[in-house]
Amino acid sequence: DQQVKQNSPSLSVQEGRISILNCDYTNSMFDYFLWYKKYPAEGPTFLISISSIKDKNEDGRFTVFLNKSAKHLSLHIVPSQPGDSAVYFCAAGRDKIIFGKGTRLHILP
Amino acid sequence: GAVVSQHPSRVICKSGTSVKIECRSLDFQATTMFWYRQFPKKSLMLMATSNEGSKATYEQGVEKDKFLINHASLTLSTLTVTSAHPEDSSFYICSAYLAGGPVRTDTQYFGPGTRLTVL
Repeated sequence: DQQVKQNSPSLSVQEGRISILNCDYTNSMFDYFLWYKKYPAEGPTFLISISSIKDKNEDGRFTVFLNKSAKHLSLHIVPSQPGDSAVYFCAAGRDKIIFGKGTRLHILP
Repeated sequence: GAVVSQHPSRVICKSGTSVKIECRSLDFQATTMFWYRQFPKKSLMLMATSNEGSKATYEQGVEKDKFLINHASLTLSTLTVTSAHPEDSSFYICSAYLAGGPVRTDTQYFGPGTRLTVL
């Protein structure tokens, strides 16, 4: 049973435009949500997080939105840059995290 | 920032042999370390939680006798894949929590991963 779902395996966005990565979860007990970025053959690096008491968290070009009623979160990257091309993992949990399958983001020149 | 290293970064071994992967927190003490495995086209799968000085807690479906975890100090956890088989070939990643802080996901630091290939 997949508790954290990223339904889009890949996404292509023009450089300079907004990239929107989506994630759905099923467990209402989750109280912390994160996004990780992963380059090939490297470990994932933490990008941004949000706790369940908030609905938005912003850090530079990255903003995470949380819709608890819909059990949905999204990561917005604006403006998108070539270095943003990577796999993005959504993760959620309480004491330990559960990852989604990831979405590969391609930033087109 | 906090740094976690893994050694080796790549290892190739013959079927039936054992392989040890080290995970070190370089500039902080980690009472808890996690071991993950990434399958092709799939998500990171949590294998086990390693607590310093105690037995590891394994996730359902992970064989304890096959994936031996030892967390002997606050800066080192090891994962030993025993009697490795080709299906064990994967990318193994560890993560570490800062000691003394809450066990929260935002204080988790990941290692760079180890690529294991079993021939």
